[in-house]
Amino acid sequence: DAGITQSPRHKVTETGTPVTLRCHQTENHRYMYWYRQDPGHGLRLIHYSYGVKDTDKGEVSDGYSVSRSKTEDFLLTLESATSSQTSVYFCAISESGLVDTGELFFGEGSRLTVL
Amino acid sequence: QQQVKQSPQSLIVQKGGISIINCAYENTAFDYFPWYQQFPGKGPALLIAIRPDVSEKKEGRFTISFNKSAKQFSLHIMDSQPGDSATYFCAASMVLKNNDMRFGAGTRLTVKP
Repeated sequence: DAGITQSPRHKVTETGTPVTLRCHQTENHRYMYWYRQDPGHGLRLIHYSYGVKDTDKGEVSDGYSVSRSKTEDFLLTLESATSSQTSVYFCAISESGLVDTGELFFGEGSRLTVL
Repeated sequence: QQQVKQSPQSLIVQKGGISIINCAYENTAFDYFPWYQQFPGKGPALLIAIRPDVSEKKEGRFTISFNKSAKQFSLHIMDSQPGDSATYFCAASMVLKNNDMRFGAGTRLTVKP
């Protein structure tokens, strides 16, 4: 199994509060991603990183920000959580991005409930 | 708007039967088509993938069939086993647009013993 740790694994919070999810990898992979998984939508890309301090938006980036200050850590922040951000969040890593094999290695997910 | 449409939403198959999951896409720029398998409480994991220069790829009991002209691809699971019970996602990505992988909505497969 790829060395990916997500924390926290479960979180319940209230509307309007800030939330930070952390993804830590031990594989030294260059690319890191944050996806959200919702019934009927599959997985949708929120943000991704292609190196330290290098990030870009994905399909559903509104309301989210990210930071990557070290190769091994990728943080996802909800500045002011809303109920529509209730979801399961997955971190993924890739050695060479999606150009070559396209293989993503996923963490075990963080379930976030916004009340 | 889902760029990759997956069906059925759920599927129940008897042990030993064939499971078939279908996906369709619109964007002809997609050039890599993976399938991911996800067990409850776990993250998805790559199962098998195909590029559009081949029409079929087989790995053990799992086969991808690809129809470029119809913009469709499917996953066939032969001799389905209860251990195959999981959610399956098809996906598509574009080499020229790095890191843009679009997933289908998923199919929950149940294989009854």
